[in-house]
Order: sequence, then structure tokens, then C-alpha cells
Amino acid sequence: DAMVIQNPRYQVTQFGKPVTLSCSQTLNHNVMYWYQQKSSQAPKLLFHYYDKDFNNEADTPDNFQSRRPNTSFCFLDIRSPGLGDAAMYLCATRGLRETQYFGPGTRLLVL
Amino acid sequence: AQKITQTQPGMFVQEKEAVTLDCTYDTSDQSYGLFWYKQPSSGEMIFLIYQGSYDEQNATEGRYSLNFQKARKSANLVISASQLGDSAMYFCAMREGPGTYKYIFGTGTRLKVLA
Repeated sequence: DAMVIQNPRYQVTQFGKPVTLSCSQTLNHNVMYWYQQKSSQAPKLLFHYYDKDFNNEADTPDNFQSRRPNTSFCFLDIRSPGLGDAAMYLCATRGLRETQYFGPGTRLLVL
Repeated sequence: AQKITQTQPGMFVQEKEAVTLDCTYDTSDQSYGLFWYKQPSSGEMIFLIYQGSYDEQNATEGRYSLNFQKARKSANLVISASQLGDSAMYFCAMREGPGTYKYIFGTGTRLKVLA
């Protein structure tokens, strides 16, 4: 029944140890997004894809990269996580009437 | 440039009462859409309601309605008959501009429903 799935829901990593967050969707939507959200703040867009066309935000750190091997899957790679990268990471798709559909998020903790 | 403003950082409402969460926006587009999302403490962003700028009637979805006043550029969310499960963060959002797939969000309003 879930439409946008994120795994894992909680991720603990060590300072500097690469980590990958995954997102999949059953909606067959062309557009997918990765947001970073820190406590009590609005989500901050990191990247978005239109199909395989990748769009990086100007202020997204180089430490963050993304892959979209097919329509259904999208990955967020954090090459060398710092303490400041601890946050909720939200994946979303864009559907009818421009509505975004979000996954449950992955909470990343950096030790 | 597009802008979304939510001026209420926090709100309290008694259970079973109605509550209005404010959202004002700024855009030079003629065609645009406004969205409200609910984010409970679990973290998931849940789509609540959409209002298109050319929609003649205010949007409604169950206990949620959107009080859309185009001339005043406001799109307030009204929750009727509040329930304890409505306690959450609420975000107003709109598309960033024509020809873009990006969105801007307000700073959010944290709603607490009191028993």
C-alpha cells in the first residue's frame, strides 16, 4: 500500500563513514526529490530529478550525491558524514496537480 | 520571487474545536497551487489539501478546508472538530515558479490539541 518507501527508517553512522539512504516509489512518477530537514525547520531541497535529468541545488554540499538508476529508485549518498549532517532525510515524488508525496523519512544520526 | 509566510510558530486548540492556521504567499504568477502538509512527530510529511489559483471554490478534504482569499494572497488551513491526533507541525507550500519542479515551504506552525 505504501507509495514512497524509504529504507532504513533510522540510520546510525560514524563520523566520516559513508552512508547510503534509499528511496523507492510505486507511483511511477517522473520527478523525485531529496530533502534534508533539521529539527523544527522547513525541509531543505538537496536535489531533484526529472526522469534521469539531475538537478543539484547550489548550496547542497559536495559531500552529498545522488543516483537514480531507474524510475522507481533513488539513492542519497553521503560520502563523509559530519555531525552537522544529522537530520531527517525525506524523499518525495511529484504527482497530479503538482502534489508532492513524501516517504516516511530516514533519521540519520552521526556519532 | 515566491515567498510563503507562516506567522504562527505555535498554536493551541481545545479538542473538538476548530482552528485556523495562517499562510500568506507572494507570487507574480497567474497560475499557481498552494499545499498544506502535516508532519507528526514520526516525521512523515502527509499531504492534506491543495488549492489551485483558478479553482472557484475553496478546497475541502474531510475536516480540512482551505480559506483561499486570492486578493489578500492568503491560504489559511481550517481544521474543524480538532482531534488529539491533529497535534503536529503544519507546513504551507507552493511551487517555486513557472517551469520549475521545486517548491518553497513556510516555516511551519506547531499545533497542539488539548484534551
